[in-house]
Amino acid sequence: NAGVTQTPKFQVLKTGQSMTLQCAQDMNHNSMYWYRQDPGMGLRLIYYSASEGTTDKGEVPNGYNVSRLNKREFSLRLESAAPSQTSVYFCASSESYGGPLLEQFFGPGTRLTVL
Amino acid sequence: AQSVTQLGSHVSVSEGALVLLRCNYSSSVPPYLFWYVQYPNQGLQLLLKYTSAATLVKGINGFEAEFKKSETSFHLTKPSAHMSDAAEYFCAVSGNAGNMLTFGGGTRLMVKP
Repeated sequence: NAGVTQTPKFQVLKTGQSMTLQCAQDMNHNSMYWYRQDPGMGLRLIYYSASEGTTDKGEVPNGYNVSRLNKREFSLRLESAAPSQTSVYFCASSESYGGPLLEQFFGPGTRLTVL
Repeated sequence: AQSVTQLGSHVSVSEGALVLLRCNYSSSVPPYLFWYVQYPNQGLQLLLKYTSAATLVKGINGFEAEFKKSETSFHLTKPSAHMSDAAEYFCAVSGNAGNMLTFGGGTRLMVKP
């Protein structure tokens, strides 16, 4: 039982390049999330998927797209990377969306630098 | 609407001293409250959660938190700090189904020998 896995662990991009961050969970959770973490700002929600087949914008969606490929996988795409997207990205999953079952399980993170 | 405020971005204690990390929240519905810990270069792990069953919640590694509705607080405490407690701690709040988890800005705990 690996929990939540993310690839890659580290990435350096040049401005304008694109990339996809991959996330998978093996806990049969319905809901998945992408966050970014910046110093002093805690975690901010980029996009989430309350259930398979649905995705919605979070607090900071601009510059990102997501795909809920199936129940296990939720990817985050940067179409044209900008230095402002330099951050640590975390994927998380939870059994359900909202309420006491909202306990989220986090992956180890992807550290992205955009030059 | 909901929000979380963590007072003190950095807290330093001596080994063996009391740990107190402050969290105040606002929520338009009865809240569910969480404390997460993040060790260096790792993801977040759940320490404890409040889901209205009991106001004093015990978590892992000797931590506990008390929900005080009148003060809209959910402060995290540990009687005696250990070097291994050095980490960043995040308080988070959610309401009923359909409300997202909102995180505070985090508090970095440093433990001095």
